[in-house]
Amino acid sequence: DIQMTQSPSAMSASVGDRVTITCRASQGISTFLAWFQQKPGKVPKRLIYAASSLQSGVPSRFSGSGSGTEFTLTISSLQPEDFATYYCLQYNSYPYTFGQGTKLEIK
Amino acid sequence: EVQLLDSGGGLVQPGGSLKLSCSASGFTFDAFAMSWVRQAPGKGLEWVSGVSGRGDSTYYVDSVRGRFTISRDNSKSMVYLQMNSLRAEDTAVYYCAKDESVVGATPFDSWGQGTLVTVSS
Repeated sequence: DIQMTQSPSAMSASVGDRVTITCRASQGISTFLAWFQQKPGKVPKRLIYAASSLQSGVPSRFSGSGSGTEFTLTISSLQPEDFATYYCLQYNSYPYTFGQGTKLEIK
Repeated sequence: EVQLLDSGGGLVQPGGSLKLSCSASGFTFDAFAMSWVRQAPGKGLEWVSGVSGRGDSTYYVDSVRGRFTISRDNSKSMVYLQMNSLRAEDTAVYYCAKDESVVGATPFDSWGQGTLVTVSS
């Protein structure tokens, strides 16, 4: 099974900050990677698919990059509504695996 | 508009069984694989099981293989998760999610609202 190691597990930042979250796959997954945002009590929302493609309707301050085993999610200028938990997902092969999550809190 | 409606959760004793259902609409159902994803209280997301568009291939995470069975009825646009020999660690919100398609659509752009399964005596 492919393991996804996400870092950091938690971070605090201020409105306007640039934030980067990283996921590392235990083996190469090409660009079969997605990023999700989840707010408390809500359904996860897909932000990025195919490592760098922005989901329709998602603000352009979100971007993804990487291929193979190293991937990043970047938020260029944090907005108040961006404070949430973020997960990566590899869908290169079953069983799909999520990263452990990154809780982004207000500083 | 894609809609996924999960149902069937509830309270069950350890060792018991429960069957979850997911009703889908708004897309060509049999063109897409479907998956179940769960989230234990205060924990992260865990993919549980998936089924191909035609229903002829099924996939499971190791912790549920042999206890859970995923199936689908394309004539009704429904996907199911039969859960047997339930354990306390199966307690979670279970989401059905639209998975990838043979024409290249990527997984989990749409999710159900989730149904809570609680395994407790």
